[in-house]
Amino acid sequence: GQNIDQPTEMTATEGAIVQINCTYQTSGFNGLFWYQQHAGEAPTFLSYNVLDGLEEKGRFSSFLSRSKGYSYLLLKELQMKDSASYLCAVRDSNYQLIWGAGTKLIIKP
Amino acid sequence: IAGITQAPTSQILAAGRRMTLRCTQDMRHNAMYWYRQDLGLGLRLIHYSNTAGTTGKGEVPDGYSVSRANTDDFPLTLASAVPSQTSVYFCASSRRGSTDTQYFGPGTRLTVL
Repeated sequence: GQNIDQPTEMTATEGAIVQINCTYQTSGFNGLFWYQQHAGEAPTFLSYNVLDGLEEKGRFSSFLSRSKGYSYLLLKELQMKDSASYLCAVRDSNYQLIWGAGTKLIIKP
Repeated sequence: IAGITQAPTSQILAAGRRMTLRCTQDMRHNAMYWYRQDLGLGLRLIHYSNTAGTTGKGEVPDGYSVSRANTDDFPLTLASAVPSQTSVYFCASSRRGSTDTQYFGPGTRLTVL
């Protein structure tokens, strides 16, 4: 079967750095997405990786290793507004998105 | 402002009733999707449409139907609601189809009693 694994919850301190991991086993691979979802709101697109390596976008970076079935989202200079759930999704061989359950990130002052 | 709208925002429904969730986008995106989101589970695809006039089944289509009469609208119908359909429903769209990034509407919180 297809599976996306992420930690359920993480806690970090304002101003610090946090890394949210995502491992996947899917039938084929056509890209990996990270979305941010604040409580009670819609998911919003953060990043997309299809080739191995690091993609940097401001305070957020996303890394992909296709051979290891592994990605991480790195958040720097954490702010209170970064408290949210972070969703990892993989596009499979049928170009359908398979979603992880999400990682709830709690930022403490 | 361009985007996706969903209606209603929330709804409490008696089991056995018929319900249609509305989704409209003004971005002229070709593809549209319906997901449900349940606590502890990832988003699950119910139905999708790659272009107006076509629809397809996702991971959890049973008990739901969709239509795509035009580019902008993609309603989701529950023919006879059951309590297991209690969930948050998100509509999404992407510009060209399954190869593109998906953008989400604000969601509909549905409770079936």
